[in-house]
Amino acid sequence: EVQLVESGGGLVQPGGSLRLSCAASGLGLTIFSMNWVRLAPGRGLEWIAYIRETSTTTYYADSVKGRFTVSRDNAKNLLFLQMNSLRDEDTAIYYCARDHVAGSPRPNYYGMDIWGQGTTVIVSS
Amino acid sequence: QSVLTQPPSMSGTPGQRVTISCSGSSSNIGTNYVDWYRLLPGTAPKLILHRNIHRTSVAPDRFSGSKSGSSASLAISGLRPDDEADYYCAAWDDSLSAVVFGGGTKLTVL
Repeated sequence: EVQLVESGGGLVQPGGSLRLSCAASGLGLTIFSMNWVRLAPGRGLEWIAYIRETSTTTYYADSVKGRFTVSRDNAKNLLFLQMNSLRDEDTAIYYCARDHVAGSPRPNYYGMDIWGQGTTVIVSS
Repeated sequence: QSVLTQPPSMSGTPGQRVTISCSGSSSNIGTNYVDWYRLLPGTAPKLILHRNIHRTSVAPDRFSGSKSGSSASLAISGLRPDDEADYYCAAWDDSLSAVVFGGGTKLTVL
């Protein structure tokens, strides 16, 4: 069974940085594109980043573009989200999520079927 | 303000059929597939429908999806108390180069 486990969340001051990790077990991520999605208090789900299985393509939501960077290490089955210049509105639960269909580069999008349990990021002074 | 528009809340009684709508535009739902997620408090989202109409193993056959033009819908028949959850639609948006979500619909079973 494939499992995703996020880590790296915590309390950080506005303007600070955090690096989130997502570890996969049960099946390698090598052939799947990956995403980061967040759920903020009182707000809905927001997709924030995508990285293709080969790392050759990334996409970001406008809300995080220029501040967040997604990367991956396929050899170690790890996904990362480097978050810089954090703002209050970045406070959320951050999930990593696997594309439902392997080898489906955007604009081909078929949903996200495996999600981690989430890691909480709180941006506050 | 979400790119996809869903009703914030809906309710129904056990056994009823409810339909949750998701309205978008030609750059997202009008061109690409729609998927649906169920979110329960304290748990990760679960994919319940993909490619507009295809159920995952999480969704019983009481759940069905449809799409017409730039709108999609999730129908739940034979409503049960454990269907109570937040439901989200999502699609790829060609103009934004992003996955866009609806604002979510809180379904209450009375």
